[in-house]
Amino acid sequence: DARVTQTPRHKVTEMGQEVTMRCQPILGHNTVFWYRQTMMQGLELLAYFRNRAPLDDSGMPKDRFSAEMPDATLATLKIQPSEPRDSAVYFCASGLVFLYRQTGTNTEAFFGQGTRLTVV
Amino acid sequence: AQRVTQPEKLLSVFKGAPVELKCNYSYSGSPELFWYVQYSRQRLQLLLRHISRESIKGFTADLNKGETSFHLKKPFAQEEDSAMYYCALSGTQGGSEKLVFGKGTKLTVNP
Repeated sequence: DARVTQTPRHKVTEMGQEVTMRCQPILGHNTVFWYRQTMMQGLELLAYFRNRAPLDDSGMPKDRFSAEMPDATLATLKIQPSEPRDSAVYFCASGLVFLYRQTGTNTEAFFGQGTRLTVV
Repeated sequence: AQRVTQPEKLLSVFKGAPVELKCNYSYSGSPELFWYVQYSRQRLQLLLRHISRESIKGFTADLNKGETSFHLKKPFAQEEDSAMYYCALSGTQGGSEKLVFGKGTKLTVNP
């Protein structure tokens, strides 16, 4: 049963420290999403990759957040320096987008269990 | 720009009552709409998508392009339906296939 794996599951850190969250997408999926979940804002899209290339990171605070896919089996989300307002649950999801000419069709996105980040 | 609006943050019904979770969207092209559900202590998972036109766990959702809505309905709610429900939209024009979610509606079904 293929699943998206996220590590760590929980992270408590002090303000100003660097935080790295990791995600292993499902093998064969060509799309990876990073989301932040909070009570107030729900699920906010932070970054979106297709075939390891970043397509959209407009939802991410550029000065402190960065997202990368060093290879097809690993996606990372880094926060440096972290701040208390970054406290949230961060989700990674992977899926397939089928492309035909100028249109794309999204199939089901599979979510990881999330990383609960607390910045004190 | 893609936008999804779920006007109700909380919705509470009694077991056996009908339930409707509202979702409105904004997208200039032809969208793909989804409903995802998050049960307590479980992963977010797909409930249904408009392309499939299927009923899952008794839930249905019809895409109304005129009203730009994709409301989720179930005629008789069950206690096990209590969960967080998210409406999501994916664009279909090249480069806009990102999956954007609404803020979610927490459904509570009371015995």
